[in-house]
Amino acid sequence: EVQLVESGGGLVQPGGSLRLSCAASGFTFSSYWMTWVRQAPGKGLEWVASIKEDGNEKYYVDSMKGRFTISRDNAKNSLYLQMNSLRVEDTAVYYCAGGGTRFTPWGQGTLVIVST
Amino acid sequence: QSALTQPPSASGSPGQSVTISCTGTSSDVGGYNYVSWYQQYPGKAPKLMIYEVSKRPSGVPDRFSGSKSGNTASLTVSGLQAEDEADYYCCSYAGTTRVFGGGTKLTVL
Repeated sequence: EVQLVESGGGLVQPGGSLRLSCAASGFTFSSYWMTWVRQAPGKGLEWVASIKEDGNEKYYVDSMKGRFTISRDNAKNSLYLQMNSLRVEDTAVYYCAGGGTRFTPWGQGTLVIVST
Repeated sequence: QSALTQPPSASGSPGQSVTISCTGTSSDVGGYNYVSWYQQYPGKAPKLMIYEVSKRPSGVPDRFSGSKSGNTASLTVSGLQAEDEADYYCCSYAGTTRVFGGGTKLTVL
C-alpha cells in the first residue's frame, strides 16, 4: 500500500524551531520529487517547498526562504522539513506529498501550532 | 507568487454539470501545461483529480474533466453526485515554484 506518514508537529513558541518528518512506503521513494504543502486553519492550500529525487534541487515559496529547509534521506525513505524562526502565521497542518508538478499520494498531515 | 483566482463557491443540482475556473498569468497557468486539481473533504487530505490540465489518474470518475484556455484553467464535474460536495483547489507549475488557487467550495443542492 502506498503511504506517507508525517510526524513531528506540535506546539512551539514564536521564534522556535521544529523538524517535520514524512515516512514513505509502498513506492520507490528515490524516484519521485517530493513536496510539502500546508493549510492554515480554515484556509486554502499553500505550496511550501519541493525537492528533486536526488535532493540536488530544492525550491521554496518566497515567504519561507531562509527559514525552512527541505531535505530527504532516500536510504530511509524519508522526507524532512526543518522550520526555524517560526511565526504565529506558520500555524497550519503540514502535508507531505509525492511529486513535483502533480501531488499524489498525500499524507494525513501533521499540525503545527505556533503560539505563546 | 500570487495565488491563482478561483470562485469561492459553486453549486449545482444532482445530475447537472458545474465548471470551476482557475485564473492565473502567463507565468503560471498560461505558460505551462502543468495544471492540477485536488478534491478535499473537511478534515481530510487532498486527493489528485486532474493533472497536466486534462489527464485523469486511475480511479477518478470520467465525470471529472479539465481544460485550459490562455491563462484560465477549468474543472468540469458532469452528472453531479452528492459525494462531489467538497472543496476543490487548482495548482500550477510556475518554473521554480508552484502556486495553488484559493479553493472553491462545491455544493450539491
